[in-house]
Amino acid sequence: SQTIHQWPATLVQPVGSPLSLECTVEGTSNPNLYWYRQAAGRGLQLLFYSVGIGQISSEVPQNLSASRPQDRQFILSSKKLLLSDSGFYLCAWSRHGRLTGAYGYTFGSGTRLTVV
Amino acid sequence: RKEVEQDPGPFNVPEGATVAFNCTYSNSASQSFFWYRQDCRKEPKLLMSVYSSGNEDGRFTAQLNRASQYISLLIRDSKLSDSATYLCVVTDSGGGADGLTFGKGTHLIIQP
Repeated sequence: SQTIHQWPATLVQPVGSPLSLECTVEGTSNPNLYWYRQAAGRGLQLLFYSVGIGQISSEVPQNLSASRPQDRQFILSSKKLLLSDSGFYLCAWSRHGRLTGAYGYTFGSGTRLTVV
Repeated sequence: RKEVEQDPGPFNVPEGATVAFNCTYSNSASQSFFWYRQDCRKEPKLLMSVYSSGNEDGRFTAQLNRASQYISLLIRDSKLSDSATYLCVVTDSGGGADGLTFGKGTHLIIQP
């Protein structure tokens, strides 16, 4: 069966510090991968998605970046965090292909980031 | 701009009652529809897909009205464990490869 791992679960970082969140998927190949953010009291916002190694699409301009160095690894980074980067970051995967959205997405357990 | 609108609630419902809430979406070309459940400080989890003909999973019934562009979720015989935020989710005409669009959720509280 497929599993998705995300870490760390909780992170407190000072303003201006770098960020690296990692997500890995097991039990499937060539998944579509996604990074979402959920700010307090707000909906889920799509940040990045990837349909293959090295292929990254950005939905929202910001000081965050994403990379996919391996088929089942997705990394979210920042060189300098802002207070507004605080939130609940969620990685998700879906099947690759034309009907990739037909079965919904499966989310990792999330990283709760507080920038202080 | 893709939008999914939900009543944020909270809906306070006594245990055993039936509760229903709706969601409207703006993109008439959306192809797939879902209800997700999110517990406090946890990740969203897929509750059920929503099919054109309507579908049922135990105490949960989902309906889709493409003409009016809304989706509904009905919960019968509600349990305390049903307390959560319910997210309405749609894909775009591209099938969802570029992300699902989530509503902000409806908060449901089942009271003993």
